Amino acid sequence: KAGVTQTPRYLIKTRGQQVTLSCSPISGHRSVSWYQQTPGQGLQFLFEYFSETQRNKGNFPGRFSGRQFSNSRSEMNVSTLELGDSALYLCASSVILGDEQYFGPGTRLTVT
Amino acid sequence: AQSVSQHNHHVILSEAASLELGCNYSYGGTVNLFWYVQYPGQHLQLLLKYFSGDPLVKGIKGFEAEFIKSKFSFNLRKPSVQWSDTAEYFCAVNAGTSGTYKYIFGTGTRLKVLA
Repeated sequence: KAGVTQTPRYLIKTRGQQVTLSCSPISGHRSVSWYQQTPGQGLQFLFEYFSETQRNKGNFPGRFSGRQFSNSRSEMNVSTLELGDSALYLCASSVILGDEQYFGPGTRLTVT
Repeated sequence: AQSVSQHNHHVILSEAASLELGCNYSYGGTVNLFWYVQYPGQHLQLLLKYFSGDPLVKGIKGFEAEFIKSKFSFNLRKPSVQWSDTAEYFCAVNAGTSGTYKYIFGTGTRLKVLA
């Protein structure tokens, strides 16, 4: 089975721009979660989707949004980028909510 | 607010030494508990998990963890570490009710094993 894939793997953006990251879960997994990983803050939960519905959301500003499609693929969008948004964004999928998660390689976002 | 605390941020051990990494969480309800590991250059992957039953759970590569409900702890152990165990270890708690769960990760512990 193919693992979780994320595209792009690396991204450089300028302050004020917006960005869309994509995640394809493992086949058969219906839950997709997004995390921001930084050296200082560790893994911070962004949101989780299940069956195209956002089931939970972390403590991030409204500039961070996401969605899930009928094939379980998910995207997250960050608008009006700030320097502090530079991080590794991880996507994880699981069969059902609350179960063990399988992580992708992440998208490294650098905001200049 | 729910939180997960990992007390050791950096641990350095020699090969064959025993390992114990602490993890405490704050949540009064039912929780699912996990330890994930991130080896250098690799994805985060599951080491072991606890949902219910025997509080002593065994995972991959000789790791085990014990859930002590009264202490809100889920410490990770390995009797004899190897150089290949050098990695970052994350404790995670998934808490919630049916239909809505929230994953909370600890800040991680970087383990370096000296050959």
